[in-house]
Amino acid sequence: DQQVKQNSPSLSVQEGRISILNCDYTNSMFDYFLWYKKYPAEGPTFLISISSIKDKNEDGRFTVFLNKSAKHLSLHIVPSQPGDSAVYFCAASAGFGNEKLTFGTGTRLTIIP
Amino acid sequence: ETGVTQTPRHLVMGMTNKKSLKCEQHLGHNAMYWYKQSAKKPLELMFVYNFKEQTENNSVPSRFSPECPNSSHLFLHLHTLQPEDSALYLCASSQVAGGLSSYNEQFFGPGTRLTVL
Repeated sequence: DQQVKQNSPSLSVQEGRISILNCDYTNSMFDYFLWYKKYPAEGPTFLISISSIKDKNEDGRFTVFLNKSAKHLSLHIVPSQPGDSAVYFCAASAGFGNEKLTFGTGTRLTIIP
Repeated sequence: ETGVTQTPRHLVMGMTNKKSLKCEQHLGHNAMYWYKQSAKKPLELMFVYNFKEQTENNSVPSRFSPECPNSSHLFLHLHTLQPEDSALYLCASSQVAGGLSSYNEQFFGPGTRLTVL
């Protein structure tokens, strides 16, 4: 049973527009959420995170929103750039200092020039 | 070398072979991880080592045998694998402290693409 779900396997967005990637989770014990980005032939790289005490975290062009009641988070990228084309993974952990991350299946984002 | 390195990057092996995957982290972290990524599946956590002690074995078959000789190196020894074990194997590291520690941001290596014939 998948506890972290990314229901859109792929997404295409025009350069300069906003990209919105979505993630849903089922485990109410999750209290820390991360987004990773993966290029082909490379390992995932950390992008941005949010703890459950916040509902928004911003870092440059990247903003993550958390809706705890809906068990939903989203990653907004604005403006989208060609270098943003990659697979994006949502991950979650439960509890402070918990080593274990649970990942979603990923969404492939393609930015169209 | 910087970050997390993995060797080899590609490995093809028969079901009767024995091989090892190597991971090295240059970040001064105290926890290391093995993940498996199969096509169209989420990353699956296999093993966790915290201060060189194994703290998690996620129901992994015994044909996968991890070894962590020190906090910078992690191995995955493979023997009598099956074709369904073909996947991308990723190593990661993080800094984990006990008690009221910071949250867990893991840094990944590039992975080893394993094909079992």
